[in-house]
Amino acid sequence: DQQVKQNSPSLSVQEGRISILNCDYTNSMFDYFLWYKKYPAEGPTFLISISSIKDKNEDGRFTVFLNKSAKHLSLHIVPSQPGDSAVYFCAANDSRGGGTSYGKLTFGQGTILTVHP
Amino acid sequence: EPEVTQTPSHQVTQMGQEVILRCVPISNHLYFYWYRQILGQKVEFLVSFYNNEISEKSEIFDDQFSVERPDGSNFTLKIRSTKLEDSAMYFCASRRLSGTSNEQFFGPGTRLTVL
Repeated sequence: DQQVKQNSPSLSVQEGRISILNCDYTNSMFDYFLWYKKYPAEGPTFLISISSIKDKNEDGRFTVFLNKSAKHLSLHIVPSQPGDSAVYFCAANDSRGGGTSYGKLTFGQGTILTVHP
Repeated sequence: EPEVTQTPSHQVTQMGQEVILRCVPISNHLYFYWYRQILGQKVEFLVSFYNNEISEKSEIFDDQFSVERPDGSNFTLKIRSTKLEDSAMYFCASRRLSGTSNEQFFGPGTRLTVL
C-alpha cells in the first residue's frame, strides 16, 4: 500500500538553512494532511497540518505547502536547528468517509532529517 | 500539557501467549486509535474506536486482536495468541471530536517482543 510516499529516506542540512521535506500521495480522496516528528523510542509528535481547501499553512518555523493537482505536499523548516533532527512522517486522512475512514491516518515511510551545527 | 500515556513501555512474551497493551488517552478526546510500526517499516493503522465501538479496522486487525475501553480512562489492545510477526512498536492515539481538527496525538508506544 503506497498511497503516501516519502521518496527521500534522508536529508542532511546545515543549521540555519532551510529544510524541505517532500511527500506525494495517490488517493484523491485524501483531504487532510499532517506532519509528525518522531524521535527514537518516542511516539510521533504532531507538528502541523493542512486541509485540502488551503494551499499553505504556517506555524512559526514550519510551513506546509499543498499542491492538489500534483498530489504533493512539502514541509519547510526555516531556519533549521540541530534539535529538529528526527524522523519526519507525512500522513493523510480522508475525513469524508462517512465514519468508515474518518480519522484513520495513512503514513509515509518517513524521512530522517539531520541538521548539522 | 495533557498527553497520551501507554504501559508497559516494553513487553516481552512467548509466542502463543496473550498480551494486553494499555493506553490512557487525553481526557477530553473521543476518538481512539491503535497503530503499529514494525522495525524499519511504516506506521500502520490497526483500529479506530468511537462511542464504545470499533469504527474501522485494517486487515491486520484479525480475530486475534480486540480493543476495549473498560472504564472512562483506559483503552486497551489485546492480542490473544501472539505470533513472532506481532513484534513491533504499538502506538495508541487519541483525537478530539471536532469538525476542524483531525490531529491525532500519540503516546510513547509499547515495544512488544514476541519470542
